[in-house]
Amino acid sequence: GAGVSQSPRYKVAKRGQDVALRCDPISGHVSLFWYQQALGQGPEFLTYFQNEAQLDKSGLPSDRFFAERPEGSVSTLKIQRTQQEDSAVYLCASSRTSGTYNEQFFGPGTRLTVL
Amino acid sequence: KQEVTQIPAALSVPEGENLVLNCSFTDSAIYNLQWFRQDPGKGLTSLLLIQSSQREQTSGRLNASLDKSSGRSTLYIAASQPGDSATYLCAVCPDRGSTLGRLYFGRGTQLTVWP
Repeated sequence: GAGVSQSPRYKVAKRGQDVALRCDPISGHVSLFWYQQALGQGPEFLTYFQNEAQLDKSGLPSDRFFAERPEGSVSTLKIQRTQQEDSAVYLCASSRTSGTYNEQFFGPGTRLTVL
Repeated sequence: KQEVTQIPAALSVPEGENLVLNCSFTDSAIYNLQWFRQDPGKGLTSLLLIQSSQREQTSGRLNASLDKSSGRSTLYIAASQPGDSATYLCAVCPDRGSTLGRLYFGRGTQLTVWP
């Protein structure tokens, strides 16, 4: 595709609901990153995929957060039993290769509001 | 853990002024440093990327410098325009101890340029 896309762009959830956020990286990009950006803060790393392998999930704030990329392309970030502190913009980024630094291309983000 | 700080947090200037945005980081073991622009409701757009071996990069009216040993970078914007209004984020990529490509961000400088 032309760029990284994310859906939905906006999501409102009641506390306790489960949500699923989707990321479509640039076609052929090997690396995929998820970041969480709270209001007034910089993005914080959540997790990293190299193809379908989740190589780093050290940034996931709790076991309610789960991410997958089963076929090495589209990725889904799932949050179970959402809490108000989960309200943030969730950004996805992809880059061409792994093993060396390549420019990351960011999607527009999904703004999650938990009521 | 790498900490990135940006000063000032917000800046409001008249059109035409030359600006300096500051970024500092605590661990000088970085692979590169990147400046991003973030517009409301949109993702991050990469402006300049400085490799650790470089001292500066230029693109149009933007110039970014890097002093790796002292843990500082500055983004210089010449002849500012209202279209420059956005949040500017500084991010570093460590060269060890974490997933290559994982970025550590500052909180950003919110810039407003008025006509």
